[in-house]
Amino acid sequence: EVQLVESGGGLVQPGGSLRLSCAASGFFFRNYGMYWVRQGPGKGLVWLSHINSDGSITSDADSVKGRLTISRDNAKSTLYLQMNSLRVEDTAVYYCVRGHFWSGHTMELWGQGTTVTVSS
Amino acid sequence: QSALTQPASVSESPGQSITISCTGSSSDIGAYNFVSWYQHHPGKAPKLIIYDVDDRPSGVSSRLSGSKSGNTASLTISGLQAEDEADYYCSSYTTSTTYVFGTGTKVTVL
Repeated sequence: EVQLVESGGGLVQPGGSLRLSCAASGFFFRNYGMYWVRQGPGKGLVWLSHINSDGSITSDADSVKGRLTISRDNAKSTLYLQMNSLRVEDTAVYYCVRGHFWSGHTMELWGQGTTVTVSS
Repeated sequence: QSALTQPASVSESPGQSITISCTGSSSDIGAYNFVSWYQHHPGKAPKLIIYDVDDRPSGVSSRLSGSKSGNTASLTISGLQAEDEADYYCSSYTTSTTYVFGTGTKVTVL
């Protein structure tokens, strides 16, 4: 079964750090670009970061540039999001998303999400 | 990059058709044919329903269709069913090599 399972969310104080992980299974992870997307409470979806299949190219939303870093380990079929200097407004459900194999700019398969709460 | 503009809500009776608009700019929707649509039932994972403006993934109902004109993309749902009640988001690739989502539309089946 094709699956993306996020982990690493939780409660963190403002200014703190977290590393989210996304374990992929059921498909050849190294062949796909990957994304992180979040949804704050009562808000819409927001794209955060993208990484290409071999990890050599990344892009980030201006709103998180310098604080959130996407990376991947193809040997472990795992995607990461390192989150530093966290703010209350970073509170959200964070989704790991697989890119579409043929369409280069489509977020195809979504994980169930992991919740991050930034609060003192 | 500002969010693409969608109507906050759309309501219609079962069996009817609705169209959700998604308005961007010449830097996103108008620049490429990389517009996608997602269906999101709260508490569940979002689901891709349209990509590359008008392509449907395998398994997605033919009642759903996408189109684009200039800087505005549209999602049409025909023969509205109770299961279509959800939040819908558009997204687009941009000339800044980033991605942007729409503000989201809540669809209510009356």
